[in-house]
Amino acid sequence: AQSVTQLGSHVSVSEGALVLLRCNYSSSVPPYLFWYVQYPNQGLQLLLKYTTGATLVKGINGFEAEFKKSETSFHLTKPSAHMSDAAEYFCAVSDTGRRALTFGSGTRLQVQP
Amino acid sequence: DAGVIQSPRHEVTEMGQEVTLRCKPISGHDYLFWYRQTMMRGLELLIYFNNNVPIDDSGMPEDRFSAKMPNASFSTLKIQPSEPRDSAVYFCASSDGEGGTEAFFGQGTRLTVV
Repeated sequence: AQSVTQLGSHVSVSEGALVLLRCNYSSSVPPYLFWYVQYPNQGLQLLLKYTTGATLVKGINGFEAEFKKSETSFHLTKPSAHMSDAAEYFCAVSDTGRRALTFGSGTRLQVQP
Repeated sequence: DAGVIQSPRHEVTEMGQEVTLRCKPISGHDYLFWYRQTMMRGLELLIYFNNNVPIDDSGMPEDRFSAKMPNASFSTLKIQPSEPRDSAVYFCASSDGEGGTEAFFGQGTRLTVV
């Protein structure tokens, strides 16, 4: 069975500071990993994904994430936060046996001026 | 493509009434997913289809919920009778058959049952 744990339901950073959102997953087979962003009253938008190959993946809006198999982690980072990054972020997992995404509980990112 | 289209965007109904949520997936996608989002439970998978066939409906809360996909371009999620605890945002998403492909989400339907 798949599961995703996102540490920290709320993260607050200052504008220009490093953003680090944590995600750990559990999967019995090699996973596909995703980060989605949700702005208020909107659907979910893909930020980036890992399927195979390079473990450091880059996404939209300057975000990147690194797949670490030994740590079962897929943490999301951005070197310098912008006010427009304030949103809720969801980590998700799927695999070849189960195409439906299993989501973490989400992390709400606040960016302080 | 216009993306995944859901209707209505907002629905307010009285307890006991039937509610039908609609979804048009992206053309060519053969997977369709229904999710429910609440503050308490986050994003939960209700059911998903592959080539119009339900694959996993274990997330459907109870018999009051039913979902159909009569063709590749249309799906419905029905709640009958509705209850206040069904109030949530319901998302439809679709993806193609390639492994590791992301799901594309609609804007959601905000359901309020009073």
